[in-house]
Formats: sequence, structure tokens, C-alpha cells
Amino acid sequence: QVQLQESGPGLVKPSETLSLTCTVSGGSISSYYWSWMRQPPGKGLEWIGNIHYSGTTYYSPSLKSRVTISVDMSRNQFSLKLNFVTAADTAVYYCARDSYSHSYIGWFDFWGQGILVTVSS
Amino acid sequence: QSALTQPPSASATPGQRITISCSGSSSNIGTNFVYWYQQLPGTAPTLLIYRNHQRPSGVPDRFSGSKSGTSASLAISGLRSEDEADYYCAAWDDSLSGVVFGGGTKVAVL
Repeated sequence: QVQLQESGPGLVKPSETLSLTCTVSGGSISSYYWSWMRQPPGKGLEWIGNIHYSGTTYYSPSLKSRVTISVDMSRNQFSLKLNFVTAADTAVYYCARDSYSHSYIGWFDFWGQGILVTVSS
Repeated sequence: QSALTQPPSASATPGQRITISCSGSSSNIGTNFVYWYQQLPGTAPTLLIYRNHQRPSGVPDRFSGSKSGTSASLAISGLRSEDEADYYCAAWDDSLSGVVFGGGTKVAVL
């Protein structure tokens, strides 16, 4: 059974960079796309972007200028960096396994438990 | 405003059937697969329906998905108290080159 675990700081100062890592266990990171989502308190889900194990990335147009997603095959991890954060970036951040094919992107079959990141000074 | 439109809430009594709609456009639902997610209170979302109408193993057949044109729907029959949750639809959008979610529908079992 594939398991995902988010890790990183729970508090980030405004204008700084939010950095999170998702560690995948029970399966290889290869052959799939891997996504990041977020959910502000009391609100709906927002897709941030994804990465294929080969390094191909797709980003939400609304966040593209501030987001970088990378993959570390040797550690079976993928990471999220979001620059110049504001209070509006306060949310629970989720990582998830996406599909094995571009035709099925959006097929999130395994999710991490989520990590709350608060942006505040 | 979400690219996919869902009603904010739906409710029914135990045993009844409810349907949740998800309206999109030709660039997302019209040409790509639809996925549905269930989010129980305080937990991460879980996959409920994939590729429009398929159920992962372990999902009861009380849950069913369908798609027609630029809209999709999720039906829950034989409603149970444990079905109280938020439900989200999602699809790839060719114009945005990204995944779009609906705003979510909160289901209440009266």
C-alpha cells in the first residue's frame, strides 16, 4: 500500500518561501505523476501543480510564477516551494499520487494526511 | 470562482438517493475524464470515482458517477449517516494545462 507523508515548517513568515516535502513509501516514485493540493481553512480544494518522475511539471496558472515542484528519485520524495507567501497562502497542504498517464491526470488515488501551514509574522 | 460548478449543499434522509452535479466546459469535462473525491470531516480527501464512472475497490456500489457533454454527476443511493461529507469533482483542463476542482458540495443526512 502506497503511503505519502508531508513534512516541513508549520509556520512561515510573510514574503518568505514555503518549503514542503512529500515522502513516498510502499511504492516507487517512478512511473507516476505526483501532485500538490491545498485547502484554506473552511474552503475547497485547489490544485497547485504536479511533477512526473521524469521531471515534467505542470503548474496552476494562478500560482505558476511562485511555485517550483521538484523530485528526488533517490529519496523517493518530491517537494514544493512557494515563494513570497502571504496570509492567503495559509492552508492545509496535501501531496498525492497522480496518474501514470497524462490522459488521466487528476486521478489522485493516494493522499498524504495533510499539513497545516500558517503564514504569519 | 471554481472552473467546475457544484451546488454548495445537498441533503436527504437516510435511505434516499441524492445527486450532485458538476458543470464544466468543453476544455475540461467536455474532453477529459472526471474524478470525484469524498472528504470526511477533518480528514484528507479520498478517491470515490475515477474515469467518469469507475469505482476503486472498497467503494460501495451505492456511489455512481456519470458524464454527459460538459457536465457530470455523482449519485449516492441508500444514503447513510456516514455519507455526510464534502464531495468534490475534478478534471484536467486543456486550456489551463492543469487540474480544476469544483467548489465542493456538503452533503447532510437529515
